[in-house]
Amino acid sequence: ETGVTQSPTHLIKTRGQQVTLRCSSQSGHNTVSWYQQALGQGPQFIFQYYREEENGRGNFPPRFSGLQFPNYSSELNVNALELDDSALYLCASSSGTLSSYEQYFGPGTRLTVT
Amino acid sequence: AQSVTQLDSHVSVSEGTPVLLRCNYSSSYSPSLFWYVQHPNKGLQLLLKYTSAATLVKGINGFEAEFKKSETSFHLTKPSAHMSDAAEYFCVVSDPGGYQKVTFGTGTKLQVIP
Repeated sequence: ETGVTQSPTHLIKTRGQQVTLRCSSQSGHNTVSWYQQALGQGPQFIFQYYREEENGRGNFPPRFSGLQFPNYSSELNVNALELDDSALYLCASSSGTLSSYEQYFGPGTRLTVT
Repeated sequence: AQSVTQLDSHVSVSEGTPVLLRCNYSSSYSPSLFWYVQHPNKGLQLLLKYTSAATLVKGINGFEAEFKKSETSFHLTKPSAHMSDAAEYFCVVSDPGGYQKVTFGTGTKLQVIP
């Protein structure tokens, strides 16, 4: 069973640029969530995709957007990067959207905005 | 609205002594509760979860947690700390709903002294 993978591992961007982060969900999982983890903080929920549709969103502006593909892999896009967007971005997959289902996390993408 | 408070940002114990990491939650529903561990430069790993079955939950690596509704607590314990337990621990609450609305605590960094 393949776990959750994310790419790239690290990324450096300049303020105002756009970035795309990628996530492959665990085999058999149809739900993907994205989180932002600032240094020294707990992860914050960005949004969740279920069967290619966004079905829940946290308190993040519209410049954070995403996609989920038919194979349930996902992308996180961030436009007009700001310095505060520097963080570890985590992707998690699960077998459904029930609150009792556990999420399996990828290793994350470290984004630095200069 | 749901929330999680981890009462200690840092906990230091000697190897072989008990571990107690404290977590209080707030929820308008019957939530699911989780503890995750994050080792440096590694992804989040699920330790255990509570989903309205037994109030004493056993997890991996000798950890367990007790759900106390009257105290709105879900403290994590281990009888004897091992050096490999040194990591950051996150308490997580998830309310039932149309998506996995997950809120992480701010984390407790566990230091194990040899």
